[in-house]
Amino acid sequence: NIVMTQSPKSMSISVGDRVTMNCKASQNVYNNIAWYQQKPGQSPKLLIYYASNRYNGVPDRFTGSGYGTDFTLTINSVQAEDAAFYYCQRIYNSPFTFGSGTKLEIK
Amino acid sequence: QVQLKETGPDLVQLTQTLSITCTVSGFSLTTYNVHWVRQPPGKGLEWMGAMWNGGGTDYNSAFKSRLSISRDTSKSQVFLKMNSLQTDDTAKYFCARRVNYYSGFDYWGQGVMVTVSS
Repeated sequence: NIVMTQSPKSMSISVGDRVTMNCKASQNVYNNIAWYQQKPGQSPKLLIYYASNRYNGVPDRFTGSGYGTDFTLTINSVQAEDAAFYYCQRIYNSPFTFGSGTKLEIK
Repeated sequence: QVQLKETGPDLVQLTQTLSITCTVSGFSLTTYNVHWVRQPPGKGLEWMGAMWNGGGTDYNSAFKSRLSISRDTSKSQVFLKMNSLQTDDTAKYFCARRVNYYSGFDYWGQGVMVTVSS
């Protein structure tokens, strides 16, 4: 089975900074990655699908990139409301494995 | 509007069977796939399985022997049943919708927290 490894596990960033988090697949998944944001007590929210497509209503400070095995979620000019866990997920076909998540804290 | 809502028990006894219902509105189960995802307290997301729009199912091999997903399209409901529950099955259980092969899970229910008690 494909394993999705996210790094770093956590990061602490100031408002206005740029943040980059990574997701590495153990096998080639082509473009088939989604990214989610989850705040405490809430359900995950879809941010990015097919590696780089922003979902409806997602602010353009969120950008996904990558192909094959290495993927990145970048948040430009981080806002206080971006404090959350971020998960990558293999999509297209089963198993729809999630990464272990990156916790983003705002200083 | 699109909604998914999970209903199920708060507490299940060790070794018993868990049954959760996902009731959807705003879309048809014959057009969209519905997936089940769980999240133990303080931990990450784990994909469990799916009900395809055509009526087939798919399961995470980690659960295959004890997980069953079914549906009643007339009631717009998808059902999760998992037997032989253990304490590490304590988790919030979510259902979520997927549009097509290239999309992620675009709508999620609020989840139901299930505790397995000994």
